[in-house]
Amino acid sequence: QKEVEQNSGPLSVPEGAIASLNCTYSDRGSQSFFWYRQYSGKSPELIMSIYSNGDKEDGRFTAQLNKASQYVSLLIRDSQPSDSATYLCAVRRGGGNKLTFGTGTQLKVEL
Amino acid sequence: DAGVIQSPRHEVTEMGQEVTLRCKPISGHDYLFWYRQTMMRGLELLIYFNNNVPIDDSGMPEDRFSAKMPNASFSTLKIQPSEPRDSAVYFCASRGDPQYFGPGTRLTVL
Repeated sequence: QKEVEQNSGPLSVPEGAIASLNCTYSDRGSQSFFWYRQYSGKSPELIMSIYSNGDKEDGRFTAQLNKASQYVSLLIRDSQPSDSATYLCAVRRGGGNKLTFGTGTQLKVEL
Repeated sequence: DAGVIQSPRHEVTEMGQEVTLRCKPISGHDYLFWYRQTMMRGLELLIYFNNNVPIDDSGMPEDRFSAKMPNASFSTLKIQPSEPRDSAVYFCASRGDPQYFGPGTRLTVL
């Protein structure tokens, strides 16, 4: 079992729709959770971090965390073609410094 | 701030050659991470430093790989000898919190 699992996609959504990206993790010691966006040929950039159970909203992005189910998700409202990218889920153990990444979900927002 | 700087951006070499990748972290960041990204394995942590000291090199795939951080503003990742399976994009990241990634070095070993 991979430490961080994501559906590789591609996930295709029409412009203006809600995109839902999911991630599960195996280490119950994980305390910090991150979503990175990576455009083709570019480096990953952080878009959301979440540390507590529940929802965290930032503009069109909402991160959701359920530690009991070992599940973290990212919702993108009013999806735009510029949101087309690969989204990487990353987790970090409590007190640690290492990030463990999933292999990413490719999102395509279609006109 | 210029962000994390990596050089070269692209490297093409032949099997058996030595390859050196370079990284300049963001000033004031006390952690530096080296990652490798491939389609098959995704983004993998190779090694990370804290205050120039290597903390965890468990991700370094083989003895052919080595990394150094002689001072707070410079790190190198060396592959000697290089092999075709080393072809990947190598990222350096520094932190603060969160991690900030450099633009990466695309390595092709023929």
